Amino acid sequence: DAGVTQTPRHEVAEKGQTIILKCEPVSGHNDLFWYRQTKIQGLELLSYFRSKSLMEDGGAFKDRFKAEMLNSSFSTLKIQPTEPKDSAVYLCASSFWGSAETLYFGSGTRLTVL
Amino acid sequence: SQLAEENPWALSVHEGESVTVNCSYKTSITALQWYRQKSGEGPAQLILIRSNEREKRNGRLRATLDTSSQSSSLSITATRCEDTAVYFCATFNTGNYKYVFGAGTRLKVIA
Repeated sequence: DAGVTQTPRHEVAEKGQTIILKCEPVSGHNDLFWYRQTKIQGLELLSYFRSKSLMEDGGAFKDRFKAEMLNSSFSTLKIQPTEPKDSAVYLCASSFWGSAETLYFGSGTRLTVL
Repeated sequence: SQLAEENPWALSVHEGESVTVNCSYKTSITALQWYRQKSGEGPAQLILIRSNEREKRNGRLRATLDTSSQSSSLSITATRCEDTAVYFCATFNTGNYKYVFGAGTRLKVIA
């Protein structure tokens, strides 16, 4: 079984650029999460989709971060415009909705904004 | 304050020793999960323990849950160098369908 696939693994952007991160969830999973991970803040939820519907958009991350589920097997996270403080690892996770099901994480995209 | 918190923040042990990581949480839970994250990888679940369970085992891993004190522990016996990773506890509540992660415990296993 294919796990969660994230591309690219690494991204370097200049301040002010637009970047798009991609995620393919585990086949058949209907919940998808985007997290940002930094050493200081740990794992922070950016967005949560259930069956392609946006359930949570991460509050503080609304203005420059936009996640979309184009179909049940593909999601993107757009950051526009990027700022140096956005440098972090961005993780995508999926699960099968139910009772406390396991989150399956991708390997993440390491973003560096110069 | 953190809604889920592991302690200690970091520790190191020699290969073959046993180690325990503790987790305290402040939310109502349906289940608690332990994840391990190795360098360059995403977190991977080790054990899921539901609120009506007190103990769960998975090979060399043993998790306990005490809902009255809102605490959990993860013990690893006969540690190996490949157990070097960050260990997270994550609580889950079906009421608001939220996963809450702690900041993690950094474990280093020395040969």
